[in-house]
Amino acid sequence: GQNIDQPTEMTATEGAIVQINCTYQTSGFNGLFWYQQHAGEAPTFLSYNVLDGLEEKGRFSSFLSRSKGYSYLLLKELQMKDSASYLCAVRDDSWGKLQFGAGTQVVVTP
Amino acid sequence: EAQVTQNPRYLITVTGKKLTVTCSQNMNHEYMSWYRQDPGLGLRQIYYSMNVEVTDKGDVPEGYKVSRKEKRNFPLILESPSPNQTSLYFCASNSPGTGGAQNTEAFFGQGTRLTVV
Repeated sequence: GQNIDQPTEMTATEGAIVQINCTYQTSGFNGLFWYQQHAGEAPTFLSYNVLDGLEEKGRFSSFLSRSKGYSYLLLKELQMKDSASYLCAVRDDSWGKLQFGAGTQVVVTP
Repeated sequence: EAQVTQNPRYLITVTGKKLTVTCSQNMNHEYMSWYRQDPGLGLRQIYYSMNVEVTDKGDVPEGYKVSRKEKRNFPLILESPSPNQTSLYFCASNSPGTGGAQNTEAFFGQGTRLTVV
């Protein structure tokens, strides 16, 4: 079956670095996405990995290892506005069907 | 502006009273989908559509219907809502993924918070 696991909650201090891990077991693989979601709002796209390695986008980086079924999202220089839920999602076919993890709530403290 | 628009944003209704949540996208995307989001469960797909007149069940389709008569619209229909359908609903759209294509991300609507009493 489909299974996407990520921690429920992480807490970090403003200015610090936090790494959110995601492991997946899906029937197919056509890319892994990270989304940010503030409470009650729509998820917004952060990053996309389809090949192994690191993708860097400003303060956010995402890593993928397809052989290990593993990804992480790295948030650097944390700001208070980064307090949100971070969703790991795997596209398991070419048409766009996304399987989501339950999300990791990141709490940034002063 | 590229967007997915859902209406209404908030809805309180009574058990058994049919309702429709509309979804429209202006990006000419082939693929559209409906999700519900509940605490601790993440986003779960209800129905999806790969193009006009092509729809299929997602992971939690019971109690829902959809239609795709036009490419831009994908309404979600609850024929007889029940309290266990109280949830936050999201519509999303994207173009087909072709491995590394720039337009493979899914765009989400603002969400519809539905309460069934």
